[in-house]
Amino acid sequence: NAGVTQTPKFQVLKTGQSMTLQCAQDMNHNSMYWYRQDPGMGLRLIYYSASEGTTDKGEVPNGYNVSRLNKREFSLRLESAAPSQTSVYFCASSGRRNSNQPQHFGDGTRLSIL
Amino acid sequence: AQKITQTQPGMFVQEKEAVTLDCTYDTSDPSYGLFWYKQPSSGEMIFLIYQGSYDQQNATEGRYSLNFQKARKSANLVISASQLGDSAMYFCAMRLQGAQKLVFGQGTRLTINP
Repeated sequence: NAGVTQTPKFQVLKTGQSMTLQCAQDMNHNSMYWYRQDPGMGLRLIYYSASEGTTDKGEVPNGYNVSRLNKREFSLRLESAAPSQTSVYFCASSGRRNSNQPQHFGDGTRLSIL
Repeated sequence: AQKITQTQPGMFVQEKEAVTLDCTYDTSDPSYGLFWYKQPSSGEMIFLIYQGSYDQQNATEGRYSLNFQKARKSANLVISASQLGDSAMYFCAMRLQGAQKLVFGQGTRLTINP
């Protein structure tokens, strides 16, 4: 079972470059999420999509955009990368909005901005 | 506002011993879920166990159990008979009923010594 698949796994960018992180899930989940994890910290929510066709800002949305392409896919775009966006990015999905549903995570994308 | 506090940055335990990882939380909302995730050195986030705020019994999943003390707002993870493969970062997280966001603590790095 693939679960949540993120591409790429690693990326190095120069300041000002743009890129899109891809995420796809095969669990038929309605909700999808993008988090970032900085050293010594837990994950912080960047954006989420509660259902196909909707997206909303999370805790740290500045400098990012997202697209919920279809039920399976949720992409994160950095339009003009900055060194402060160096982080590990995780995509996650969950089945329902009830608080008892765990979010299932991809393996992460390690992004370095020089 | 929601907050998760994990006060143990690192713990060292002998193999086969039981270990308790502390987690306290803060919310005024009566309906919420508490989650524990494991992050091995390979980086992926693995869901371990869930406890609902209205659950009468402590959650258990194999060698994992959750010591839930609602009045003290604590949700400690207990790992019985620790194994070398348990060495990892462990994150406690909370999600309010109807909310999308998982709020994470800063994590505890557990090292199991042979």
